[in-house]
Amino acid sequence: GQQLNQSPQSMFIQEGEDVSMNCTSSSIFNTWLWYKQDPGEGPVLLIALYKAGELTSNGRLTAQFGITRKDSFLNISASIPSDVGIYFCAGLAGNTGKLIFGQGTTLQVKP
Amino acid sequence: EPEVTQTPSHQVTQMGQEVILRCVPISNHLYFYWYRQILGQKVEFLVSFYNNEISEKSEIFDDQFSVERPDGSNFTLKIRSTKLEDSAMYFCASGQGYQETQYFGPGTRLLVL
Repeated sequence: GQQLNQSPQSMFIQEGEDVSMNCTSSSIFNTWLWYKQDPGEGPVLLIALYKAGELTSNGRLTAQFGITRKDSFLNISASIPSDVGIYFCAGLAGNTGKLIFGQGTTLQVKP
Repeated sequence: EPEVTQTPSHQVTQMGQEVILRCVPISNHLYFYWYRQILGQKVEFLVSFYNNEISEKSEIFDDQFSVERPDGSNFTLKIRSTKLEDSAMYFCASGQGYQETQYFGPGTRLLVL
């Protein structure tokens, strides 16, 4: 079945550093999404990507949708302690709204 | 800002018992979803629901699972006879269209003993 592979699995960085994580797939997705999940809560949408090659920013976050529609990256600049959480990529599969999620990247930020 | 709500936040049940997890999606949304997340793992799709019927379900969503939108505001997930492996966080989500942003609720943590 369709799978998304995220890397790295976890990151431990110093406050102020930039972060980069990515997501790859063997299948094409027409929409890629990046979600953040805080402990004990539901995923919250950070950025949605709809066009191949699209580069989109949301504050300190920047994400790009790969030209092949099989990969995406998320960058966080100047990290702060509240960036701590699990970041998931997700691809929209088919025409029913089904989202396929990656395994997540756990980010820890040291003040 | 409108949000998806879920009740209860936590539920503990005995194996073999029926549970009903409740969700109130955002009011003008037409597409509804259930996902689950086993502790420490990724979020997995269970089912999508549109126009009062299931539009897609995963392999996880077997005969023990059912969904219902009984009154135009609530969206429920029923597990008929719970198993130990049903222990997970269950998230409801809703969206205006299938390509539109899905908004997730805070989840119900289900523990089957």
